[in-house]
Amino acid sequence: KNEVEQSPQNLTAQEGEFITINCSYSVGISALHWLQQHPGGGIVSLFMLSSGKKKHGRLIATINIQEKHSSLHITASHPRDSAVYICAVPNSGGSNYKLTFGKGTLLTVNP
Amino acid sequence: DGGITQSPKYLFRKEGQNVTLSCEQNLNHDAMYWYRQDPGQGLRLIYYSQIVNDFQKGDIAEGYSVSREKKESFPLTVTSAQKNPTAFYLCASSIVVLAGVEQFFGPGTRLTVL
Repeated sequence: KNEVEQSPQNLTAQEGEFITINCSYSVGISALHWLQQHPGGGIVSLFMLSSGKKKHGRLIATINIQEKHSSLHITASHPRDSAVYICAVPNSGGSNYKLTFGKGTLLTVNP
Repeated sequence: DGGITQSPKYLFRKEGQNVTLSCEQNLNHDAMYWYRQDPGQGLRLIYYSQIVNDFQKGDIAEGYSVSREKKESFPLTVTSAQKNPTAFYLCASSIVVLAGVEQFFGPGTRLTVL
């Protein structure tokens, strides 16, 4: 089974700061997922990436397949970015249907 | 609007009772999933179904049962055999894309067993 480690567990920032959340995994993968969970509990898929970098608005996700590491960056952070950010990768064994999830990073952005 | 609905958002049950959580999707996705989320832990897979009338156990299937009689529906029953059923339950569905399998999540049901 793939092991996923996220850091930091908790992150507090001031509005406008640049945020970085890290994710490491143990087994080679086809693609990595970044998810956002708001206080109400619903989860939204932010990115699914298999190489390089993706950008959506103020969010940027990068992945280094050789180092088995991904980062999620938020530029010009805003209080509405406050959420839990979760990294997920396919389990080892070839099935992309089963994912292993990190424990999440709780981000709080203060005004 | 296409999406995944879970009802109810909050559910309370007495210990020893079975309870069924609803999950419906109108995204025309073949695969559906049930996850459990506990404080401080990552999501854990309970059951998943890649196609109608077929489903597989996930990592923590004991005390749970599912059915997949229709493509759009994947109800989860939490039985009295589940030792610690109080948790947040998330349903998801997925499509196959170039990079792999992309999952979409419902809003979740918070189950409290008293």
